[in-house]
Amino acid sequence: KAGVTQTPRYLIKTRGQQVTLSCSPISGHRSVSWYQQTPGQGLQFLFEYFSETQRNKGNFPGRFSGRQFSNSRSEMNVSTLELGDSALYLCASSFGREGLREQFFGPGTRLTVL
Amino acid sequence: GQNIDQPTEMTATEGAIVQINCTYQTSGFNGLFWYQQHAGEAPTFLSYNVLDGLEEKGRFSSFLSRSKGYSYLLLKELQMKDSASYLCAVRGERQEFYFGSGTKLNVKP
Repeated sequence: KAGVTQTPRYLIKTRGQQVTLSCSPISGHRSVSWYQQTPGQGLQFLFEYFSETQRNKGNFPGRFSGRQFSNSRSEMNVSTLELGDSALYLCASSFGREGLREQFFGPGTRLTVL
Repeated sequence: GQNIDQPTEMTATEGAIVQINCTYQTSGFNGLFWYQQHAGEAPTFLSYNVLDGLEEKGRFSSFLSRSKGYSYLLLKELQMKDSASYLCAVRGERQEFYFGSGTKLNVKP
């Protein structure tokens, strides 16, 4: 069974640009969550999509947005990039139903903003 | 707000036992998870507790006390490959996940 895949793996952008990251969940998983990981802040929850609907949202500005397609693949977009957006962006997939267990993480996209 | 606390860093000796604590305050609770993350890699699932008590899985055990908002991860017979960060996460009332900042474990020979 293929794991969670994320593209691209590495990305370099400049301030003010926008970026789109992609995540393909494990087959059969309907929930995709996005996290930002930085050395100082740890893993911070961005949002979760379940069956093409945003089900949960963390405390990030509106520059961070996402969507999920009918095949459960998800994209995350960050507009007007700031230096502080440099981080590892992880996506995780799960069945998403109550009582079911863990999330499976992808390898992440390392974003550097110059 | 949601708050999950764990020590920043710990050091232990190969072959020893180490306990990593996690305390949490969240608006809802649907399970506590422990993940292992090696440097430069994605987190991988270690254990899950939703009821009070101890869950054992080989060299790893995890304990939960919901009334105290407390969990610990116990690693026995430490190996050098156990050097990693250990993340405590709580699933909230809407199935969302909240992560602690992680505990970096250094295993020395």
